[in-house]
Amino acid sequence: EAGVAQSPRYKIIEKRQSVAFWCNPISGHATLYWYQQILGQGPKLLIQFQNNGVVDDSQLPKDRFSAERLKGVDSTLKIQPAKLEDSAVYLCASSLGNRVGGETQYFGPGTRLLVL
Amino acid sequence: DQQVKQNSPSLSVQEGRISILNCDYTNSMFDYFLWYKKYPAEGPTFLISISSIKDKNEDGRFTVFLNKSAKHLSLHIVPSQPGDSAVYFCAALLLEGYNYGQNFVFGPGTRLSVLP
Repeated sequence: EAGVAQSPRYKIIEKRQSVAFWCNPISGHATLYWYQQILGQGPKLLIQFQNNGVVDDSQLPKDRFSAERLKGVDSTLKIQPAKLEDSAVYLCASSLGNRVGGETQYFGPGTRLLVL
Repeated sequence: DQQVKQNSPSLSVQEGRISILNCDYTNSMFDYFLWYKKYPAEGPTFLISISSIKDKNEDGRFTVFLNKSAKHLSLHIVPSQPGDSAVYFCAALLLEGYNYGQNFVFGPGTRLSVLP
């Protein structure tokens, strides 16, 4: 079974530029998550999709971050414009999402973003 | 305000001995807990979980203990092996129920080094 795919693996941009990350979840997984992991901290949930609907985006900085999951499969996360403090690893995860509670999330390898 | 805490940023253990990783949480509404293991340049991988209705769950060399009254859980690895060297994240889950939404909160991680 293929895992969660993310691209690119690394990205270096200057502040105020825009960047987009792509995630392809495990086939059949209804729930998709985007996390931001700053160095030395645990992953912080940015947004959660159930199929193509947003379930939780309470911690997404909506003035600069946006995400979509068209057709309920792949997802993109965009930052526009980027700030220095956005330097982090952006992790995508997916889970089956077909029942309440106790679900295991499967993580992709992450995209490491450096904003200069 | 950190809802999930892992107060030891690092831990070193001799091969063959027991590794004990600790996690504390503040929100008594959390009802599912997971441990993830992360190698460098990879996404976190699921290790073991426990529901709040249990106080122990065992899987091979890995055992998780939950003390709800103390809002504390621990991961025991016996015997520890050099391949266990990684960062371990504790995560707590708060069920949202109606929308099948799940809010995972991760701790900052503990770096375990198992010395040969």
